[in-house]
Amino acid sequence: AQKITQTQPGMFVQEKEAVTLDCTYDTSDPSYGLFWYKQPSSGEMIFLIYQGSYDQQNATEGRYSLNFQKARKSANLVISASQLGDSAMYFCAMRGYSSASKIIFGSGTRLSIRP
Amino acid sequence: GAVVSQHPSRVICKSGTSVKIECRSLDFQATTMFWYRQFPKQSLMLMATSNEGSKATYEQGVEKDKFLINHASLTLSTLTVTSAHPEDSSFYICSARTGGMDYGYTFGSGTRLTVV
Repeated sequence: AQKITQTQPGMFVQEKEAVTLDCTYDTSDPSYGLFWYKQPSSGEMIFLIYQGSYDQQNATEGRYSLNFQKARKSANLVISASQLGDSAMYFCAMRGYSSASKIIFGSGTRLSIRP
Repeated sequence: GAVVSQHPSRVICKSGTSVKIECRSLDFQATTMFWYRQFPKQSLMLMATSNEGSKATYEQGVEKDKFLINHASLTLSTLTVTSAHPEDSSFYICSARTGGMDYGYTFGSGTRLTVV
């Protein structure tokens, strides 16, 4: 069975500061992928970043980077230089390769950026 | 990029009636579609996986007779909430596999269902 855990229900960060959103996971699949999605109040799911379990380097996409620590089973999202528009729900998610490619989501973290 | 069009975006229906939600892939063939449900301020819970031309695979605890999923073509998957009740009020969102990349998933814009 797969499980994603996000222990921060909400976070407040000052604009322009960096923020780390925590995510731990559990899976028995030898190969898997980890995602971060942003969900603004409109409800759409915005893909931010992806990390494959066998990727040698941590993924980066612009201001987003994924701090992947395989031994600790953690995949934290780091947002550098936060902006007001970053205020949203953030979900960590995982897919296995023996589970019909389905993605399961963590409980989410609501990030609020203060001006 | 790949687009999944989901309709309606909002629907209000009376208790006891059925509601159909459509997800259409606009510029690609979606052989697999995932349906999620999201209660306010909660996570997305996977309801079922549908594959074109075959029966959907439902997650444990999801009533297959209540949430009918049809994936009759490579570009259209539908979710029908039958005999809706107020507790079915939720945000429903679909997702399709796109292309061969491991991270290739496209989400619809979601449907907010309110049962009165």
